[in-house]
Amino acid sequence: DGGITQSPKYLFRKEGQNVTLSCEQNLNHDAMYWYRQDPGQGLRLIYYSQIVNDFQKGDIAEGYSVSREKKESFPLTVTSAQKNPTAFYLCASSTDRSTDTQYFGPGTRLTVL
Amino acid sequence: QKEVEQDPGPLSVPEGAIVSLNCTYSNSAFQYFMWYRQYSRKGPELLMYTYSSGNKEDGRFTAQVDKSSKYISLFIRDSQPSDSATYLCAMSETDDKIIFGKGTRLHILP
Repeated sequence: DGGITQSPKYLFRKEGQNVTLSCEQNLNHDAMYWYRQDPGQGLRLIYYSQIVNDFQKGDIAEGYSVSREKKESFPLTVTSAQKNPTAFYLCASSTDRSTDTQYFGPGTRLTVL
Repeated sequence: QKEVEQDPGPLSVPEGAIVSLNCTYSNSAFQYFMWYRQYSRKGPELLMYTYSSGNKEDGRFTAQVDKSSKYISLFIRDSQPSDSATYLCAMSETDDKIIFGKGTRLHILP
């Protein structure tokens, strides 16, 4: 099965803890993205990567970090510096950065207790 | 003015009706237009992808782009309860990031 997987589906974190969300794709896509979705706010871009070992900040990168050591994987770390981390996190990928459409994973719901 | 405007709904229509979902935008440089469907607690899935102006049809779905009015539409014919979801419009310039609308919640009433 080709596609994008995210794990875990639900994640709970105590305040002050860092947590890492997993995103894996076997579509051979070059570009990968992380979005955050909050009620009434639509999708907001956190980070994106067009190629291995390179990534760029999106619109709301503060309090987050990423790595892109392999083409298939783009993990997102939500650090304790993120003031309001409770949200639905979506990972996406596309064949390149420009005009190709993005395909989304199933999402991870993060709740800070 | 926000780049992409989309009525959040909810929009409730009876089963079998034609549904019209719309987005307006302000950036005349947008060339690529997409519609995504998102079920509750799931990731968005691509429904339609169009370039520039015109219509595109796929089964019960028709996407329409009117660049002169900066207005895009998604029509759903013979709507089914399984069409109940949030529909997100999205668009981009050449070689630039995709901008998403906030989504319209649609309920199809059996």
